Amino acid sequence: SQTIHQWPATLVQPVGSPLSLECTVEGTSNPNLYWYRQAAGRGLQLLFYSVGIGQISSEVPQNLSASRPQDRQFILSSKKLLLSDSGFYLCAWSVLSGTSGASEQFFGPGTRLTVL
Amino acid sequence: QKEVEQDPGPLSVPEGAIVSLNCTYSNSAFQYFMWYRQYSRKGPELLMYTYSSGNKEDGRFTAQVDKSSKYISLFIRDSQPSDSATYLCAMSEGSGTYKYIFGTGTRLKVLA
Repeated sequence: SQTIHQWPATLVQPVGSPLSLECTVEGTSNPNLYWYRQAAGRGLQLLFYSVGIGQISSEVPQNLSASRPQDRQFILSSKKLLLSDSGFYLCAWSVLSGTSGASEQFFGPGTRLTVL
Repeated sequence: QKEVEQDPGPLSVPEGAIVSLNCTYSNSAFQYFMWYRQYSRKGPELLMYTYSSGNKEDGRFTAQVDKSSKYISLFIRDSQPSDSATYLCAMSEGSGTYKYIFGTGTRLKVLA
């Protein structure tokens, strides 16, 4: 069965510090990978998605970046955190179905980031 | 107008009640519809996944899609305090589109 891991679970960082959040998926090949941010009362905001190694699409211009160095690894980074980067960061995966064109999307446990 | 609208609640019901959660949407190209349950400080958990119009049942949960009205529902029968969570609807066009559009979630409280 498929499993998705995220770490760290919780992070407190000062403004201006760098960030690296990691996500790995087990039990599937060539997944589509996603980074979302969830702010209280504002729903899920899609930040990045990737359909393959080295292929990153950005949805929101900001000081965050994403990389996919391996098929099942997705990394969210920042060189200098802002207060507004605080939130709950979720990694997700899906597999594009050849027949239906879509599949369910599954989420990781999330990383709660507080920038002080 | 948002692509997906969902009442934020909170919705409070007594234990054993039938719960109805709803989302409306504006994009007629959506074909895939999902419901997620999210407990506080946890990642969303997929509950139901449906394609096109119709009903799907899984235990105490029933998902309904009415594409003509652009309206989807999740029914929870015999609600339990453990059902207390935020419920998110999500939709996708499919056909090579990689994006999923989410509602903001409805907070449900089931009172013992």
